[in-house]
Amino acid sequence: RKEVEQDPGPFNVPEGATVAFNCTYSNSASQSFFWYRQDCRKEPKLLMSVYSSGNEDGRFTAQLNRASQYISLLIRDSKLSDSATYLCVVNMETGGFKTIFGAGTRLFVKA
Amino acid sequence: DAGVTQSPTHLIKTRGQHVTLRCSPISGHKSVSWYQQVLGQGPQFIFQYYEKEERGRGNFPDRFSARQFPNYSSELNVNALLLGDSALYLCASSLTTGTNEKLFFGSGTQLSVL
Repeated sequence: RKEVEQDPGPFNVPEGATVAFNCTYSNSASQSFFWYRQDCRKEPKLLMSVYSSGNEDGRFTAQLNRASQYISLLIRDSKLSDSATYLCVVNMETGGFKTIFGAGTRLFVKA
Repeated sequence: DAGVTQSPTHLIKTRGQHVTLRCSPISGHKSVSWYQQVLGQGPQFIFQYYEKEERGRGNFPDRFSARQFPNYSSELNVNALLLGDSALYLCASSLTTGTNEKLFFGSGTQLSVL
């Protein structure tokens, strides 16, 4: 079983749609959680951190459920520019620092 | 302000050779980490260094090694290259170490092993 698993995608949605991505992690020692965005042939860029209380940044909302070891990202009113791969990321520090990326979920937003 | 810079951008090597990849962090950042990304997958953690000390290591063979210099720049070395080492190698910097630190990535070095 992979340590961080994401919806395989791809997701094809029209402009203006709401889309949700799911991510699960297997190690209960995981401490911090993030969503990164990666455009084709580019480096990943931080989208937002994820907190248990939930957090929102404009059209983006992230949620963490530690009991279920589940992370989500909701994008409202999708724009063409949201087309990218969304990476779920988990950090832990057990016997050394470790960052684990999910395989990513590809999103295509169409006009 | 300059972001994370990596060199070279592209590299072609043959099996059995050795390669050195270089990374300069954002000014003021003291931590550097290295990742391997194969097409269609997420980045895989290789190493993290902070203040010249190794803080974390992923599941990579001993052919992979790294170091961090006093100016916080870093090198990733890979010995005895295999075809499977062909990938995009990403470097990321952060202010300090710690699980809450945000990563800032360079644009990567594309390594092809023939």
